Amino acid sequence: QITLRESGPTLVKPTQTLTLTCSFSGFSLTNNEEGVAWIRQPPAKALEWLALIYWDDDKRYSPSLRSRLTITKDTSKNQVVLKLTNMDPVDAATYYCAHTAAARSPKEMFDSWGQGTLVTVSS
Amino acid sequence: SYELTQPPSVSVSPGQTASIPCSGDQLGDKYACWFQQKPGQSPVLVIYQDNQRPSGISERFSGSSSGNTATLTISGTQAMDEADYYCQTWDRSTYVFGAGTKVTVL
Repeated sequence: QITLRESGPTLVKPTQTLTLTCSFSGFSLTNNEEGVAWIRQPPAKALEWLALIYWDDDKRYSPSLRSRLTITKDTSKNQVVLKLTNMDPVDAATYYCAHTAAARSPKEMFDSWGQGTLVTVSS
Repeated sequence: SYELTQPPSVSVSPGQTASIPCSGDQLGDKYACWFQQKPGQSPVLVIYQDNQRPSGISERFSGSSSGNTATLTISGTQAMDEADYYCQTWDRSTYVFGAGTKVTVL
């Protein structure tokens, strides 16, 4: 059974860098076709894909946020870390990590999600 | 950038069929997924590869795709199906979600 859990600060100040950690079990990012994505959802708004990292360290970023995002993995800890620089109140959202299977194929899907972590941006 | 368009809301009577369209340029040439999200909960995958159901998802949920439109159909809708539904696909190595459709069971 795949489980994912997001952790990180619940409050950040404008201009600060947000660092979130996704801790997972039930799969390994050393295995072919595995990946972990980050997706966010502002209050009462739609889902927005942010970034994704694959088992072979291939990384994908949302074009609109590429300059502010960094995604990394630590396979020994079964963790994926997302950094988002220069935080602004519009970045306030619930941030989810999700497992992706059948990586880089048309069949790719976000089949398991964490519970999400709510991040507020305020001075 | 690629966009997916969904109606903001769909209403359905209990026991009836709800259809939720999702349109995008040449969407029929890609695979679509559908997610159900209830208030305060994480999204749950209900359809992948246009029309495949993950294990544990009710047979009431089905999907189809043709031309520029993918459709999620909920047959015999129950009160527990009241939720937001999001379609999703990928285009040029980016992953795109629709704006979501709120399904109300009246």
